[in-house]
Amino acid sequence: GAVVSQHPSRVICKSGTSVKIECRSLDFQATTMFWYRQFPKQSLMLMATSNEGSKATYEQGVEKDKFLINHASLTLSTLTVTSAHPEDSSFYICSARRQGLYTDTQYFGPGTRLTVL
Amino acid sequence: DAKTTQPNSMESNEEEPVHLPCNHSTISGTDYIHWYRQLPSQGPEYVIHGLTSNVNNRMASLAIAEDRKSSTLILHRATLRDAAVYYCILRDPSGTYKYIFGTGTRLKVLA
Repeated sequence: GAVVSQHPSRVICKSGTSVKIECRSLDFQATTMFWYRQFPKQSLMLMATSNEGSKATYEQGVEKDKFLINHASLTLSTLTVTSAHPEDSSFYICSARRQGLYTDTQYFGPGTRLTVL
Repeated sequence: DAKTTQPNSMESNEEEPVHLPCNHSTISGTDYIHWYRQLPSQGPEYVIHGLTSNVNNRMASLAIAEDRKSSTLILHRATLRDAAVYYCILRDPSGTYKYIFGTGTRLKVLA
């Protein structure tokens, strides 16, 4: 099956610092990856679409200068939360789009829990 | 945006079949119906997807209505490990291939 990893799985940081989260597709190439955020007892909310070699597309209400996305290769996308504040504490999940002759499906990473003190 | 509607929660007894419904009345002709499930503190796990015909895999079956306005995920024998939130998702019809998550159905499996 398709495997997507995230690193780190859990991070605690002080308010005002920046945190980088990596998302890797381990056994397939992904020209498109997605970043989601999930608050407790809520559904996943799409933050942005990350395309390899081009700028990310952000959903309405998501600050692109605060959530920097880089998709430098076909297997790696990174999300950097800049100047993190307690309200940024959340569960961040990435997914990678796997395209084939008979399939077009997203596979999700295990998530990164960010706690900002 | 094409949206889905699912019951907030359902219960099932262990080893019994479970039918999880999903309504998607605004589905477009080219939208695939995807099902994922999410265990606590984990990312969603792919379960199954289909377009028009019913689909089976080792995890579940997907029954799609003839008019495609609804579908049902079938777990043939529920186990305690199947307790999760199940999401029925349509791929965004605008061509961006992004998923729009609804609230999902929280399945509780009783021993």
